[in-house]
Amino acid sequence: DIQMTQSPASLSASLEEIVTITCQASQDIGNYLSWYQQKPGKSPQLLIHSATSLADGVPSRFSGSRSGTQYSLKINRLQVEDTGIYYCLQHYSAPLTFGSGTKLEIK
Amino acid sequence: EVQLVESGGGLVQPGRSLKLSCVASGFTFSNYGMNWIRQAPGKGLEWVAYISSGSSYIYYAETVKGRFTISRDNAKNTLYLQMTSLRSEDTALYYCARHDNNYEYWGQGVMVTVSS
Repeated sequence: DIQMTQSPASLSASLEEIVTITCQASQDIGNYLSWYQQKPGKSPQLLIHSATSLADGVPSRFSGSRSGTQYSLKINRLQVEDTGIYYCLQHYSAPLTFGSGTKLEIK
Repeated sequence: EVQLVESGGGLVQPGRSLKLSCVASGFTFSNYGMNWIRQAPGKGLEWVAYISSGSSYIYYAETVKGRFTISRDNAKNTLYLQMTSLRSEDTALYYCARHDNNYEYWGQGVMVTVSS
């Protein structure tokens, strides 16, 4: 099974700050990597697909990048509404595997 | 508009069975593989099962293999998850999600609570 090691587990940042969350895949997954934001009581919402492509309707302050088997989600100019839990998902092969999540709070 | 609506959840005793449904609309259901994904209270996301568009390929997480059965009825635009021998650790919010390049579309989830 492909392991997705996500870090950090939690993050507290100030408004307008830049934050980065990473997922390290245990093997090559190509660009079969999506990033999600989840708010309490809601389904995960897609932010980034194909490792670097912004999903429709997602603010441009979100971006995704890839370096080998390391994937990153960057949030520029952090806003209050960006609080939540962020997950990565690899859908290169079954079993699909998620990162363990990053809880983002605003200071 | 793509919609996925789950139903069939509830409170069930350990060892009993339950069948979840996910009704799809807004797209050609028979063209897409589908997944069940779950989230235990306060925990992360866990993939449960996948079924291909024509039901030829089916995969399960090791934690549910032999107990859960994924199926679909393309004529009814409906995905199912038959859960048997339920355990307390199966307590979770169960989502159906469409398999595609983006994994954008998820349902709102249905809660399954396994408790005596």
